Amino acid sequence: DAGVIQSPRHEVTEMGQEVTLRCKPISGHDYLFWYRQTMMRGLELLIYFNNNVPIDDSGMPEDRFSAKMPNASFSTLKIQPSEPRDSAVYFCASSSSQGYGYTFGSGTRLTVV
Amino acid sequence: GEDVEQSLFLSVREGDSSVINCTYTDSSSTYLYWYKQEPGAGLQLLTYIFSNMDMKQDQRLTVLLNKKDKHLSLRIADTQTGDSAIYFCAETEDKLIFGAGTRLAVHP
Repeated sequence: DAGVIQSPRHEVTEMGQEVTLRCKPISGHDYLFWYRQTMMRGLELLIYFNNNVPIDDSGMPEDRFSAKMPNASFSTLKIQPSEPRDSAVYFCASSSSQGYGYTFGSGTRLTVV
Repeated sequence: GEDVEQSLFLSVREGDSSVINCTYTDSSSTYLYWYKQEPGAGLQLLTYIFSNMDMKQDQRLTVLLNKKDKHLSLRIADTQTGDSAIYFCAETEDKLIFGAGTRLAVHP
């Protein structure tokens, strides 16, 4: 298995633009998580899905953020409009209810200028 | 609520043992985890311990769990320069909650 795949690896965008981050979880995993990592706030859980259904989105900072999981092999995190304070590394992770631990992707480094 | 606390920085000499400490609040956590993050990379699962265990050893890594004090530690024996990274402690019930991470610096 290629692991959790995120794209793009790096994204630089201007304030006000829409940004879409993508994630392909490990095949067979039924949980998917989106985390954001910054120096100031560390690793924050934004939202997670179980069997493609959002379970807890209490970590989503505001209405500008939205996440979808249309099928078991794909998820997106969208920011519209983006702001400089959204600059961070965004990680996707997946896990199986039959196993333990999460497998993380390599992350998307987002810079909003 | 859930909270995980770690010291932020540890410096050790190559060949010595490193001990990274963590305290957590959620006594219902089924598993407790240690993750490693190298620069520019995602988090890699290092090891985990089930909540009914006191100790787990895996090659150079030893995890100790004190449930009474809600204290978790990771010992790395014979620390190498390749062990330089940020180490995260995490607890879980339905979702992983991470500490702020301990930056381990290994010097010759």
